[in-house]
Amino acid sequence: EDQVTQSPEALRLQEGESSSLNCSYTVSGLRGLFWYRQDPGKGPEFLFTLYSAGEEKEKERLKATLTKKESFLHITAPKPEDSATYLCAVPSNDYKLSFGAGTTVTVRA
Amino acid sequence: DVKVTQSSRYLVKRTGEKVFLECVQDMDHENMFWYRQDPGLGLRLIYFSYDVKMKEKGDIPEGYSVSREKKERFSLILESASTNQTSMYLCASSSPTGGHRGYTFGSGTRLTVV
Repeated sequence: EDQVTQSPEALRLQEGESSSLNCSYTVSGLRGLFWYRQDPGKGPEFLFTLYSAGEEKEKERLKATLTKKESFLHITAPKPEDSATYLCAVPSNDYKLSFGAGTTVTVRA
Repeated sequence: DVKVTQSSRYLVKRTGEKVFLECVQDMDHENMFWYRQDPGLGLRLIYFSYDVKMKEKGDIPEGYSVSREKKERFSLILESASTNQTSMYLCASSSPTGGHRGYTFGSGTRLTVV
């Protein structure tokens, strides 16, 4: 059974304090790994897709990386507007997504 | 801009009422999904559909049913609402193989059953 585990559950950062979120996964044949951002009371929004080990994607202060067993979402010099819950997900062999429980990031000014 | 639209952002219903949550997508996606999201439990799949008039149970289908009469519309039905169905409900759609963005989600419906 596909499994996705995210850590930590919550992360409190000072503005400008860089950090990383972890997403470890167990799937039979990786068909991609997705990162989403979810603001309170809203639906998740797409951030990145990674397909192979060594791949990296960047968007503003966020950079996602992928290894054979895990993915990291690095937040560089975060701002309060980066506060959100970050979800990762992997597709099963029938293309349903298995989601992690998410990491809630709070950035204080 | 492509969209998944959920008909209500907030709903308050009484115990025992029949509740309809509507979801419409404009991306011509074959796959549509209904999730509920609760603090500490993450996203849990209720039902999904790979085609018109087709439905499959997800992980927590009890107390729910769905309808997909048209490709663009996927409805979630609470046959007799109960307080333990108070939750955030999220609809999503995707192409058959997931595409490069995985799912596209709606904005969510916050349902409160009193």
